[in-house]
Amino acid sequence: AQSVTQPDIHITVSEGASLELRCNYSYGATPYLFWYVQSPGQGLQLLLKYFSGDTLVQGIKGFEAEFKRSQSSFNLRKPSVHWSDAAEYFCAVRGGNEKLTFGTGTRLTIIP
Amino acid sequence: EPEVTQTPSHQVTQMGQEVILRCVPISNHLYFYWYRQILGQKVEFLVSFYNNEISEKSEIFDDQFSVERPDGSNFTLKIRSTKLEDSAMYFCASSVRGGATNEKLFFGSGTQLSVL
Repeated sequence: AQSVTQPDIHITVSEGASLELRCNYSYGATPYLFWYVQSPGQGLQLLLKYFSGDTLVQGIKGFEAEFKRSQSSFNLRKPSVHWSDAAEYFCAVRGGNEKLTFGTGTRLTIIP
Repeated sequence: EPEVTQTPSHQVTQMGQEVILRCVPISNHLYFYWYRQILGQKVEFLVSFYNNEISEKSEIFDDQFSVERPDGSNFTLKIRSTKLEDSAMYFCASSVRGGATNEKLFFGSGTQLSVL
């Protein structure tokens, strides 16, 4: 069965600083990997996804993520965060079926 | 961008009561999903629905739960006899295509269900 671990429950960064959110997955074959963001009162919005090919994927809002098979990781990065990036971030994996399996999420706080 | 709409945003009910959570998926989407998130826990898959039948469900989705697409636009989740542990945020989602390579799932903003 697939699973996702997001080891950081809460991260605080200064506006303009770089960001990396960690995600580790467990799945027997090549997974389909996703990052979603949830702003307060909003639904889950897809930031980016990895299916195959280039292991560095670009998403919306200036985010990128790198798939590292050897580390079973799919970390999310942004070179310079903005106050509007404050939200909950969820990593998710999908195997060979319909089901998305989410991590517990990382809450991002931005300080001025 | 098109949206998935969920109503109500908050629902409070007494234990043992039936609740129906409503969702209006995006109009040209064919695949529909319910997920839930208990406070402080992961977002969990409940069920997927296509062509008027359940295509996949989790172990959470027991006989107390049912889904329906009653009129071609709404997609509902019914909990027949609510329990305290059903308190959670319930997310509806839809997509044009299904399967593992489906690229984009559109999520609604959720219904917060509180069972007292």
